[in-house]
Amino acid sequence: DTAVSQTPKYLVTQMGNDKSIKCEQNLGHDTMYWYKQDSKKFLKIMFSYNNKELIINETVPNRFSPKSPDKAHLNLHINSLELGDSAVYFCASSQSRVGEQYFGPGTRLTVT
Amino acid sequence: GQQLNQSPQSMFIQEGEDVSMNCTSSSIFNTWLWYKQDPGEGPVLLIALYKAGELTSNGRLTAQFGITRKDSFLNISASIPSDVGIYFCAGQEGSGGSNYKLTFGKGTLLTVNP
Repeated sequence: DTAVSQTPKYLVTQMGNDKSIKCEQNLGHDTMYWYKQDSKKFLKIMFSYNNKELIINETVPNRFSPKSPDKAHLNLHINSLELGDSAVYFCASSQSRVGEQYFGPGTRLTVT
Repeated sequence: GQQLNQSPQSMFIQEGEDVSMNCTSSSIFNTWLWYKQDPGEGPVLLIALYKAGELTSNGRLTAQFGITRKDSFLNISASIPSDVGIYFCAGQEGSGGSNYKLTFGKGTLLTVNP
């Protein structure tokens, strides 16, 4: 059974388009995250939700909007995609706000 | 914000050798985590550390939470080809607000020559 899953695995789109990435976890965790990994493999937190409440919102353009319909799901919607948005986006989850985080397989977004 | 310095940036070793990598922080962390990332995959948690001075093993991997709470190291003994990958340290203050976020090191790329 997949613990943290993301769809799609690959996403190729043109500048200016709007796209969404979905994440689901079946671990029963109450905290979920979105990370961005750039071409140099640097991992940076973007957002975190705890029990559907936004608790971490790093300096991310307004074009990025997370949505958590329930504790097991966290989606990321990106408007007006730009070339610089090309990266791998990882979803993660944890039992609580503190401690071990478990990552999904990633979504490789390529903006052309 | 916190800064994590992870070293070395890359390592090339022979199969069977031991490996050591470390992370130092500009601020105190209450949690240290070590991850491994294979190409095209998400980071996989290797070891979690929660107490200063704690030494924890997971098979051939051993990690320690530094006494000052500003550093951690990871050792891999008797390396094998499947140890190849990028190893990340991550620290968490865990004291509230955005301090719950994980700050990641820039990774150590490990190459093992058979």
